[in-house]
Amino acid sequence: DAGVIQSPRHEVTEMGQEVTLRCKPISGHNSLFWYRQTMMRGLELLIYFNNNVPIDDSGMPEDRFSAKMPNASFSTLKIQPSEPRDSAVYFCASIAQGAPNEKLFFGSGTQLSVL
Amino acid sequence: QQQVKQSPQSLIVQKGGISIINCAYENTAFDYFPWYQQFPGKGPALLIAIRPDVSEKKEGRFTISFNKSAKQFSLHIMDSQPGDSATYFCAASYYSGGGADGLTFGKGTHLIIQP
Repeated sequence: DAGVIQSPRHEVTEMGQEVTLRCKPISGHNSLFWYRQTMMRGLELLIYFNNNVPIDDSGMPEDRFSAKMPNASFSTLKIQPSEPRDSAVYFCASIAQGAPNEKLFFGSGTQLSVL
Repeated sequence: QQQVKQSPQSLIVQKGGISIINCAYENTAFDYFPWYQQFPGKGPALLIAIRPDVSEKKEGRFTISFNKSAKQFSLHIMDSQPGDSATYFCAASYYSGGGADGLTFGKGTHLIIQP
């Protein structure tokens, strides 16, 4: 199993540009989460999906942030327009809810720098 | 409102010593308490977890101690090794595995094991 796959690993962009982060969850997992990690705020839950349906997006900081999950094997987190304060590591995580010993697996993250 | 408070922020322990990291939570509805380990450039990975119906859980050199009445739990790393140097996060969730609605994380402890 390849685990949760995120791309790109690093993204450097200029303020005002659109940024799209991508995630492929583990096959068979039915829930997907987007987290953001910063030194100041630690790990914050942005949004999560159950069976491809967004359940709670109350952690999304602003309307500039949006997330989609068009199918069970792919999700995107988009920031438009990006701002320097969006600089952080963005993690995607997935879990097979209801499975024995269910466990949340994280990807390696996308390091975003907005200049 | 910080629902999970973690201390210390950083910790230095000699090789072979015991590393102790503490967490306190506020919401008595939390039902699952994991510890995650994160190495630089990687996503958090589940280390060990406990449910509130037991007071202690041990897996190898790692032990969680849980005090329901005090709303506190701690991670003990016995015989600490340089390879244990990482950032450790405590977390809490309403549901086992951290799924359903995600995990609420502490701010993290940067642990350094000196050889």
